[in-house]
Amino acid sequence: DAGITQSPRHKVTETGTPVTLRCHQTENHRYMYWYRQDPGHGLRLIHYSYGVKDTDKGEVSDGYSVSRSKTEDFLLTLESATSSQTSVYFCAISEEGTGTVMNTEAFFGQGTRLTVV
Amino acid sequence: DQQVKQNSPSLSVQEGRISILNCDYTNSMFDYFLWYKKYPAEGPTFLISISSIKDKNEDGRFTVFLNKSAKHLSLHIVPSQPGDSAVYFCAAKPAYSGSARQLTFGSGTQLTVLP
Repeated sequence: DAGITQSPRHKVTETGTPVTLRCHQTENHRYMYWYRQDPGHGLRLIHYSYGVKDTDKGEVSDGYSVSRSKTEDFLLTLESATSSQTSVYFCAISEEGTGTVMNTEAFFGQGTRLTVV
Repeated sequence: DQQVKQNSPSLSVQEGRISILNCDYTNSMFDYFLWYKKYPAEGPTFLISISSIKDKNEDGRFTVFLNKSAKHLSLHIVPSQPGDSAVYFCAAKPAYSGSARQLTFGSGTQLTVLP
């Protein structure tokens, strides 16, 4: 199994409070991702990182920010949590394909269940 | 607009029989397709993939079929086992993407294999 640790695993927070989720990897992979999983929507990309301090937006980035100060850590911050951000959040990592190995899959962490009340 | 669609939210199959999970896509730039399996309280795990240069890829009990003209792929599990009960996500990405950042996921199908 890929070495990916998400913390916390569960969190309940109040509307309007800031929340930070952490993803830590031991694989030294270049790419890291934050997804959210919601019923009927599958997995949707929030933000991703392609290197230290290099990040970009995904499909559902509004209300979220990220930071990556070290290769192994990728933080997801909800500046002011809303009920619509109640979801299960997954971190994933991947390496970049080179040459003929252009198609690499992502490896996922165990998820963080966030409830905003 | 969902570019990857799994129209069956759930599927029940008897143990030992074949499970067929379907996935349709709309983006003609998609060139590489993956299936992930997810158990409750765990993250998705990679199961099998197929490139558009093939129409079939087999790995043990799991076979993925790709019909490019119909923009359709399916995952066959033979024989199905109770441990296969999980949510299965179909995903797709363009071939020009050298990483997983362009992965687009379907909404998933809950497979239940009945003993």
